[in-house]
Amino acid sequence: GENVEQHPSTLSVQEGDSAVIKCTYSDSASNYFPWYKQELGKRPQLIIDIRSNVGEKKDQRIAVTLNKTAKHFSLHITETQPEDSAVYFCAANPWSSASKIIFGSGTRLSIRP
Amino acid sequence: NAGVTQTPKFRVLKTGQSMTLLCAQDMNHEYMYWYRQDPGMGLRLIHYSVGEGTTAKGEVPDGYNVSRLKKQNFLLGLESAAPSQTSVYFCASSYDEQAIYGYTFGSGTRLTVV
Repeated sequence: GENVEQHPSTLSVQEGDSAVIKCTYSDSASNYFPWYKQELGKRPQLIIDIRSNVGEKKDQRIAVTLNKTAKHFSLHITETQPEDSAVYFCAANPWSSASKIIFGSGTRLSIRP
Repeated sequence: NAGVTQTPKFRVLKTGQSMTLLCAQDMNHEYMYWYRQDPGMGLRLIHYSVGEGTTAKGEVPDGYNVSRLKKQNFLLGLESAAPSQTSVYFCASSYDEQAIYGYTFGSGTRLTVV
């Protein structure tokens, strides 16, 4: 089945600096790669996603890149702010089906003032 | 618009007891999911449903059963609770197979089995 690995498990960056979180997946048929943000005590919420027909997608300070050949994708957050502190999860869909997605183990991002 | 509602929010069970977690969505979503969240292990899929009357196993289905008798409700049952089932349980739903709008999660149920 699909296996999604996420690194690092914890990340601390200075406010204003950039943060990068990386994920790899095992199923070459996967074609949908969402990222979720979970603030402390809250539910996960979709922040950005990318499909296999594009290599990069941006939304203000957030960008996601996809390398299908290497089977890895990354989340980039620029000009980090205190409200970016949260746990971030990457995910991928096995067997090209969005009827279910498999999550990575999460990255706890802390923004230092 | 309530979105996805989970009940209860907290529960403490004794080993061997049974319980049912209820997930209700009012967005007319076809797909519904149950995940469990444990420290350092992310969100793991327990069971899911692609429509009323259907269910399927996810990554960690053992010890759980589910039912989707009505489109808006997805129930997760624990027949004989074990301490290993102590976790935070999240229900989620999506509009269609392409998840164009992503998954909508409920607020979670924190279950402790003693």
